Amino acid sequence: GENVEQHPSTLSVQEGDSAVIKCTYSDSASNYFPWYKQELGKRPQLIIDIRSNVGEKKDQRIAVTLNKTAKHFSLHITETQPEDSAVYFCAASNNDMRFGAGTRLTVKP
Amino acid sequence: DGGITQSPKYLFRKEGQNVTLSCEQNLNHDAMYWYRQDPGQGLRLIYYSQIVNDFQKGDIAEGYSVSREKKESFPLTVTSAQKNPTAFYLCASSSRVSTDTQYFGPGTRLTVL
Repeated sequence: GENVEQHPSTLSVQEGDSAVIKCTYSDSASNYFPWYKQELGKRPQLIIDIRSNVGEKKDQRIAVTLNKTAKHFSLHITETQPEDSAVYFCAASNNDMRFGAGTRLTVKP
Repeated sequence: DGGITQSPKYLFRKEGQNVTLSCEQNLNHDAMYWYRQDPGQGLRLIYYSQIVNDFQKGDIAEGYSVSREKKESFPLTVTSAQKNPTAFYLCASSSRVSTDTQYFGPGTRLTVL
C-alpha cells in the first residue's frame, strides 16, 4: 500500500518569510495529492490539492508542486502570517488515501 | 465541511466498555471514512465504506467495528478489545472514490478512564 513521508516535523519561520514542506510517496499509481491545515483541536481543512496530470498549482500565497518521476510533492507558503501557524498534512491517494505524519508550522511575529 | 457532523465532542469510557461514535453527513457523499489521530502520528485509517452495506478495514481496524446501513451515517464502535483507545477520532466523507476530496467532521475526543 501507499506510504507517505513528510518533512520536517516542525518548522519555525519569521513572519513574512516563506515556508516549504516536503512529502514523498511510494505508490507510483497515486494520482491525487491534497494538503490539509489543522488548527489545534479542530478538523483538518483542505487548503490546496493537485492531481497527477499537473506539475504545479497556485492559490494566492499557497502553491503545490509535484514531481511524479521522483515521487515527491511540496507545499510552499509565501509571505507567512501568524495565522498560518498550524499543523499541515500531506496525503497521497490512488484507491486509498494515506497521510503524512504532519508538520507543525510556527510563524513568529 | 459544514455538512458532516460527529457526536459527541468528548467521550469518556471506562475500561471494558464498548462505545459508539456517531458520524452523519448530508453532502450526498457515497464514501465515508474513520481515522484515528494520535499526537505526532498523523491520521491513520481505521475503516472506510464506498457504498451502503459495504465497508473495508483500514490499517488499524483491530478493536473497532462499523456499520453502513444508511448513506448518511457511518457509526464507529470502539470495543473493549481495543487496547489503547484514547485518541482523537475523525470521520470524513468524499463524493465517490477515494481520489475525491475528503471533508472532515469536527472530531470526537475519546478518553479511557
